[in-house]
Amino acid sequence: SAVISQKPSRDICQRGTSLTIQCQVDSQVTMMFWYRQQPGQSLTLIATANQGSEATYESGFVIDKFPISRPNLTFSTLTVSNMSPEDSSIYLCSVDRSQETQYFGPGTRLLVL
Amino acid sequence: QQQVKQSPQSLIVQKGGISIINCAYENTAFDYFPWYQQFPGKGPALLIAIRPDVSEKKEGRFTISFNKSAKQFSLHIMDSQPGDSATYFCAASGYGGATNKLIFGTGTLLAVQP
Repeated sequence: SAVISQKPSRDICQRGTSLTIQCQVDSQVTMMFWYRQQPGQSLTLIATANQGSEATYESGFVIDKFPISRPNLTFSTLTVSNMSPEDSSIYLCSVDRSQETQYFGPGTRLLVL
Repeated sequence: QQQVKQSPQSLIVQKGGISIINCAYENTAFDYFPWYQQFPGKGPALLIAIRPDVSEKKEGRFTISFNKSAKQFSLHIMDSQPGDSATYFCAASGYGGATNKLIFGTGTLLAVQP
C-alpha cells in the first residue's frame, strides 16, 4: 500500500480566489492522479501527473483552471483557480504504487462561498 | 463506451445478510476491475480487485463474480455487518491496469441494520 497525506484537509474559500492542495506520498511513485468528487457523487479524474512532464487533463478540465505541479516523485499540487461555488467538492489525489491499483489520499473538502 | 453502470444506488441489508452490488461495462478493452469502499470523510480504500481471466475472487467475506461474456461484475458481501455500512464504488481500467485512468461507477450506499 501507500501512505498518502493531503493538505489542507478542508477549507472554506471565497469566490474568485484560488486554493492550492498538496499531496505527499511516503515513497516514490511514477504516476499521481487528481480526482474530483462532488457531494454525493462518484469520482471523476481531473488529470494525471507524471514527474518531469506536463499533466494530462481529461475532457472538461483545463490547465488554466486546475494547474498541477509535480516537482518530484513523492509530491504534487493541484490549484483550483478563480473559484466559484460549483467548485465545492472533495479533491482527492491517488498514486499507482505497484501497477496493480491506485491508492487514495484522505481528500480535501472544499467549500466555496 | 467508457461508462461503468452501477446498481443499486442504495441498499439496506440486515446484519448477517448478503449484500450484492452489480456493475456493467461496455468497453471490452477494460482488463482490471477494482472495488473501493468509502466511509464518510475518508478517501476510497481498495477492497478487492479482479482481472477478466478468472470468474471469481474471494477475500474473506468479500467476493467478486465476473461474467466476461455479459460484461458484468458484482460484489458480494457475506455475513454483512454494521461496520460494512459505507459507499461502494466499482471501477474499471484498461491497457495494463491501474496505471491508466480508473472509470468509476456511480456508487452504492450500503446500510447494514443491526
